[in-house]
Amino acid sequence: DSGVTQTPKHLITATGQRVTLRCSPRSGDLSVYWYQQSLDQGLQFLIQYYNGEERAKGNILERFSAQQFPDLHSELNLSSLELGDSALYFCASSKRTGAGELFFGEGSRLTVL
Amino acid sequence: DQQVKQNSPSLSVQEGRISILNCDYTNSMFDYFLWYKKYPAEGPTFLISISSIKDKNEDGRFTVFLNKSAKHLSLHIVPSQPGDSAVYFCAATPSGANSKLTFGKGITLSVRP
Repeated sequence: DSGVTQTPKHLITATGQRVTLRCSPRSGDLSVYWYQQSLDQGLQFLIQYYNGEERAKGNILERFSAQQFPDLHSELNLSSLELGDSALYFCASSKRTGAGELFFGEGSRLTVL
Repeated sequence: DQQVKQNSPSLSVQEGRISILNCDYTNSMFDYFLWYKKYPAEGPTFLISISSIKDKNEDGRFTVFLNKSAKHLSLHIVPSQPGDSAVYFCAATPSGANSKLTFGKGITLSVRP
């Protein structure tokens, strides 16, 4: 158990819909990262927050947005969903802003039909 | 553009033998490298890391070797055990605040009893 909690674990929805994925970091960790893993792809970095502020942005689509709240939990919002958005979405946390060892949640599997 | 490449998608070895997992990178700014292991239905977990000031780091059965001139690193597992069967991701990052981990696509290791 990494201490990072992601909900929901599985989500099935239709094209055009909007979903929200939630992540609670490990106790004491200020940084939250979101990664996407599509079929046969590695972990693609989406976005990072540190203590409520956006710190780094990767290949995140404009239809996707995220935020980190004062209690440090984070939400990833995916809108106007397309079939290609079907993937595993991982949240990871760490104490610092610089990337080093990250602690990953179990992921949220999104299926868009 | 894949900055971290794991060109072999899978590897099968006999229990007790050595497993060698390879990883290549293209970004000269990368100076910290990590290996993560992932079991099905779980998030990736940190395995071992190496800084660019070293060329070898050992932790029990796991050793990571770094060849900076060749931009190549490898993970050696000796002896391999059936419980090592998993997907192994190579990751790299520059140092400094707000840096992010860039992952390869992963290698599926199967250790045959």
